[in-house]
Amino acid sequence: NAGVTQTPKFRILKIGQSMTLQCTQDMNHNYMYWYRQDPGMGLKLIYYSVGAGITDKGEVPNGYNVSRSTTEDFPLRLELAAPSQTSVYFCASSTQGVGTEAFFGQGTRLTVV
Amino acid sequence: DQQVKQNSPSLSVQEGRISILNCDYTNSMFDYFLWYKKYPAEGPTFLISISSIKDKNEDGRFTVFLNKSAKHLSLHIVPSQPGDSAVYFCAATGSGAGSYQLTFGKGTKLSVIP
Repeated sequence: NAGVTQTPKFRILKIGQSMTLQCTQDMNHNYMYWYRQDPGMGLKLIYYSVGAGITDKGEVPNGYNVSRSTTEDFPLRLELAAPSQTSVYFCASSTQGVGTEAFFGQGTRLTVV
Repeated sequence: DQQVKQNSPSLSVQEGRISILNCDYTNSMFDYFLWYKKYPAEGPTFLISISSIKDKNEDGRFTVFLNKSAKHLSLHIVPSQPGDSAVYFCAATGSGAGSYQLTFGKGTKLSVIP
């Protein structure tokens, strides 16, 4: 049972570069989320999706974009990477909204230099 | 402005004893609370939750208590085991608009000493 899979696990980007963080889940969950965790801080919601074709902003969406063309995949795009985007990124999914249990991926550690 | 506060960054407990992790919140619209556990280099995993209509929820060694008037919840682990050593996050959400957003505390690192 793979659950939520994120790739890559680690990445170093130069300022101004762009990249896509991949996230896929095999649990047929409608709800998917992207969070970031800065050192010593809790997780903050970047974007979420309630189903294929539907996405919305979370608490900290600036500098990111998402798409949800299928139920399984929810990629996060970083355009023009900045040092402030150095963080650990977690993708998660759930059957309903966040009142129910969310399953998290292992995370992507991103460093922007 | 932190809406969910975990004021103890770390906690050390002897194996077999009780671990008590605390969490305070300020937003009166929060009505559902969750605890997540996180090991290094892994994603958070769901541990236990509680709805605001309850004041206690129990699952094996884990019990969460909610005091709505004090806007305070706590997670009790009895007995504590070395495998419980991890970072514990308290999270909250409301049933209204924006309820998709889980608001997390900064976490408490629990160390259970054998």
